[in-house]
Amino acid sequence: DADVTQTPRNRITKTGKRIMLECSQTKGHDRMYWYRQDPGLGLRLIYYSFDVKDINKGEISDGYSVSRQAQAKFSLSLESAIPNQTALYFCATSDLRGRDEQFFGPGTRLTVL
Amino acid sequence: AQKITQTQPGMFVQEKEAVTLDCTYDTSDPSYGLFWYKQPSSGEMIFLIYQGSYDQQNATEGRYSLNFQKARKSANLVISASQLGDSAMYFCAMREGIYNFNKFYFGSGTKLNVKP
Repeated sequence: DADVTQTPRNRITKTGKRIMLECSQTKGHDRMYWYRQDPGLGLRLIYYSFDVKDINKGEISDGYSVSRQAQAKFSLSLESAIPNQTALYFCATSDLRGRDEQFFGPGTRLTVL
Repeated sequence: AQKITQTQPGMFVQEKEAVTLDCTYDTSDPSYGLFWYKQPSSGEMIFLIYQGSYDQQNATEGRYSLNFQKARKSANLVISASQLGDSAMYFCAMREGIYNFNKFYFGSGTKLNVKP
């Protein structure tokens, strides 16, 4: 079974709709992240969380919000989706006790029409 | 300034040959880590190799090695004996600092095509 899972894997929605992307992990890591990937731009950090009580904005947090419901769960919400939020979204975890490398989920492909 | 620069948007290599993917980085922090990830067409991100800023030797993981030139701030990935399954996007990434996450940067990637 995958250590980092994301649901849904694919989603098509309309402008103005609220949408939530969910991430769960069984790695026992404290740190969790949300990235978006756009062609030619690599990955950009949206939000990150070091533990349940710690939420931090990343490079491109405008238009997004997050919730860390438990150590293992980290959700990303688009309150009112817009077309330029069409992207591939990745959840990741890391463990500072190691190299702090990022372990990625399979990604969610989101299309906003 | 870009924190991670990958200057090769796309590359071709013949099967069984070696290939080097370039990565330069920019940081003034003495403590950092460098990572390479592979992203096949299926989309998942696969960790390949890691180099710490204090590591004395270049990292190696099977057919992957990292040519770490600290003074030049470069961390090139070398893939030996390329295979068709190596065709993918490759991302270089850097973590700045040790205890405070707040800086993890990715390059824009290099698309590698391995020709039979």
